[in-house]
Amino acid sequence: EAGVAQSPRYKIIEKRQSVAFWCNPISGHATLYWYQQILGQGPKLLIQFQNNGVVDDSQLPKDRFSAERLKGVDSTLKIQPAKLEDSAVYLCASSPLPSGGFYEQYFGPGTRLTVT
Amino acid sequence: AQSVSQHNHHVILSEAASLELGCNYSYGGTVNLFWYVQYPGQHLQLLLKYFSGDPLVKGIKGFEAEFIKSKFSFNLRKPSVQWSDTAEYFCAVNPREYGNKLVFGAGTILRVKS
Repeated sequence: EAGVAQSPRYKIIEKRQSVAFWCNPISGHATLYWYQQILGQGPKLLIQFQNNGVVDDSQLPKDRFSAERLKGVDSTLKIQPAKLEDSAVYLCASSPLPSGGFYEQYFGPGTRLTVT
Repeated sequence: AQSVSQHNHHVILSEAASLELGCNYSYGGTVNLFWYVQYPGQHLQLLLKYFSGDPLVKGIKGFEAEFIKSKFSFNLRKPSVQWSDTAEYFCAVNPREYGNKLVFGAGTILRVKS
């Protein structure tokens, strides 16, 4: 079974530039998550999709971050404009559709963003 | 807001030493509990989980964890570590009323000296 795919793996940009990350979840997984992991911290959920609808985006800085999941499969996360404090690893995860219980989240390799 | 605390950020052990990594959470409701591991250059992967029942749970590679409800703790243990256990370990909590959402601790970097 193919895992969660993410690209690019690394990105270096200057502050105030824009950047986009792409995620392809495990086939058949209805739920997709984007996490931000700043160095020295654990992953923090930015946004959760169920199919192509947003379930939770309470921790997404909406003035500069946006995400979409068209057609309920692939997803993109965009930052515009980037700030120095956005330097982090951006993780994508997916899980089957929860139904009365917890479903394991499977993580991708992440995209390491450096903002200079 | 709920939080997850991991007691040590860096741990260095010699091979065959015993391991215990602490994890405490602040959420008062019913929770599911997890330990994830990230080996160098690899993805985050699930090590073990606790949903209900026996508070001592066993995971992969000889790891186990004990849920102590009165202490809001879920400590990870391994009787004898190996060099290949060198990794970063994350405790995570899922408050059940929050659906499939995970709240992670800051992680503990374990280095095992051969």
